[in-house]
Amino acid sequence: DSGVTQTPKHLITATGQRVTLRCSPRSGDLSVYWYQQSLDQGLQFLIQYYNGEERAKGNILERFSAQQFPDLHSELNLSSLELGDSALYFCASSVDLSREETQYFGPGTRLLVL
Amino acid sequence: SQQGEEDPQALSIQEGENATMNCSYKTSINNLQWYRQNSGRGLVHLILIRSNEREKHSGRLRVTLDTSKKSSSLLITASRAADTASYFCVGGSYIPTFGRGTSLIVHP
Repeated sequence: DSGVTQTPKHLITATGQRVTLRCSPRSGDLSVYWYQQSLDQGLQFLIQYYNGEERAKGNILERFSAQQFPDLHSELNLSSLELGDSALYFCASSVDLSREETQYFGPGTRLLVL
Repeated sequence: SQQGEEDPQALSIQEGENATMNCSYKTSINNLQWYRQNSGRGLVHLILIRSNEREKHSGRLRVTLDTSKKSSSLLITASRAADTASYFCVGGSYIPTFGRGTSLIVHP
């Protein structure tokens, strides 16, 4: 158990819909990362937040957005869903911004768009 | 980007054998980390090697780093069935970029 929690574990929805994925980082971790893992694209970095502020952006679509709240939990919002958005979405946390910090990954949310 | 590319894509060995996986990256890094992922689960950090280090050991793991060739290798000695997983490398950078990983299967 990494100490990072993600909800829900599974999500099935239809194209065009909007969903929210939630992540609670490990106690004391200020940095949260979001990743998307699909069979054809591998593990893709989406976005990073540090202490409530966006710090780095990867391959995140405009239909996707995220935020980190004062209690440090984070939400990833996916809208106008397409079939290709079906994937595993991981959240990871680390203590701070340093790239030497180990990232602790949550169990993931499996999203299926029908 | 600091993309890590793992090689081979898949590796199948017998329990007790050694497993070697390689990683290549494109630009300068401060450190390189290896992670492991069991099927459908989150990644677990294995080991970090800094750019001024050439080799590092942790239990049955041995990691090497060659910054001149922009490559790293992960050796798992005396493999076990429980080592069956995917292994990823990532270079420490502004944008953490993982490769597609090496899928290791260890047959009992």
